Amino acid sequence: NAGVTQTPKFQVLKTGQSMTLQCAQDMNHEYMSWYRQDPGMGLRLIHYSVGAGITDQGEVPNGYNVSRSTTEDFPLRLLSAAPSQTSVYFCASSKGGSQPQHFGDGTRLSIL
Amino acid sequence: AQTVTQSQPEMSVQEAETVTLSCTYDTSESDYYLFWYKQPPSRQMILVIRQEAYKQQNATENRFSVNFQKAAKSFSLKISDSQLGDAAMYFCAYRSANTGNQFYFGTGTSLTVIP
Repeated sequence: NAGVTQTPKFQVLKTGQSMTLQCAQDMNHEYMSWYRQDPGMGLRLIHYSVGAGITDQGEVPNGYNVSRSTTEDFPLRLLSAAPSQTSVYFCASSKGGSQPQHFGDGTRLSIL
Repeated sequence: AQTVTQSQPEMSVQEAETVTLSCTYDTSESDYYLFWYKQPPSRQMILVIRQEAYKQQNATENRFSVNFQKAAKSFSLKISDSQLGDAAMYFCAYRSANTGNQFYFGTGTSLTVIP
């Protein structure tokens, strides 16, 4: 099983550019989430989804959009990249209840 | 929102010794789940152990065990017979059983294993 697949693994952008981080899972998980990881701050939730067609904001949603048109895919869009969005981004998925999250390998994003 | 606190940014342990990583959380819910994740330098997030709040018995997974104190809202991780491969960042996580099933993470503890 592929699990959770994130692409790309690395990306460098210029301020003001837009891009989409891709996330796909093949485990039929209803819950999917996007986090950013910054030194000393752990993982902070950006957006999450409890099923196809349903998304909601997390702790740090500003500057990001998401959509969930299928169960498998949960792309994260940076609308106009800013240096403060330089971070490592993780996508995760899970079933409900006591099931843990399964994480992708992360995307290291640098905004110049 | 629930908060998860890991008060030890860094810890070290001698190889073969035992170390305990602390985690506390703040919640008004009675039903929830707790997890410890390990993040080695490879950046992968690996599940170490999980605990259901309704279970009084502490979870164990080989050399890893937890001390779950529900009243104190404490969820510490004990690593026995520490190995070099245990060196990593460890994150404590809380999952609500009710409010959107969101996960909340602590800021992590960096564990160094000394040969």
